[in-house]
Amino acid sequence: DVKVTQSSRYLVKRTGEKVFLECVQDMDHENMFWYRQDPGLGLRLIYFSYDVKMKEKGDIPEGYSVSREKKERFSLILESASTNQTSMYLCASSWGLAGGTDTQYFGPGTRLTVL
Amino acid sequence: AQRVTQPEKLLSVFKGAPVELKCNYSYSGSPELFWYVQYSRQRLQLLLRHISRESIKGFTADLNKGETSFHLKKPFAQEEDSAMYYCALSEGNKLVFGAGTILRVKS
Repeated sequence: DVKVTQSSRYLVKRTGEKVFLECVQDMDHENMFWYRQDPGLGLRLIYFSYDVKMKEKGDIPEGYSVSREKKERFSLILESASTNQTSMYLCASSWGLAGGTDTQYFGPGTRLTVL
Repeated sequence: AQRVTQPEKLLSVFKGAPVELKCNYSYSGSPELFWYVQYSRQRLQLLLRHISRESIKGFTADLNKGETSFHLKKPFAQEEDSAMYYCALSEGNKLVFGAGTILRVKS
């Protein structure tokens, strides 16, 4: 059974703080993703990674960066948190299926509040 | 750019009534479509994908390329079907999600 874990379920930070959200998967998946989930907007892709040290911007990368030093771990970094980054953050992983899209497995989410 | 539209934010039905959650997409090519579901206090998970053409928990979805739709249907809703449902379209190894529809099944 695939397990995707996120470091925190709830996080409260102050404006301007540097924030780290960690995600770990235990299925040797090639691909990892960070989304934010907002009511009425659905899931929007922030960044994804298809290999160690590789990353690509998603639809809303501004204000975020990522790090993937090990295959199982994908970190989302908010360099200077702002109130408009208050949201639910979901991590996901999938196999690297050539020529198609494999099932994405999601973590439980981190609800981040920036005051 | 690929887009996925779920026109209803909330769909409320009575137990035993038929359910149809609408999804329309725009894509130039052969689309690969999915439905993901998030039950209360659970993580988002795959419900079904069009290429497998299977029924999961009584739900089915047919890809209609002419109408560019992938509506999710169930003939008789159950209270445990209450959840948030997202339609998604593949873009390489990525997914483009719709805004989601909350399904509430009333007893």
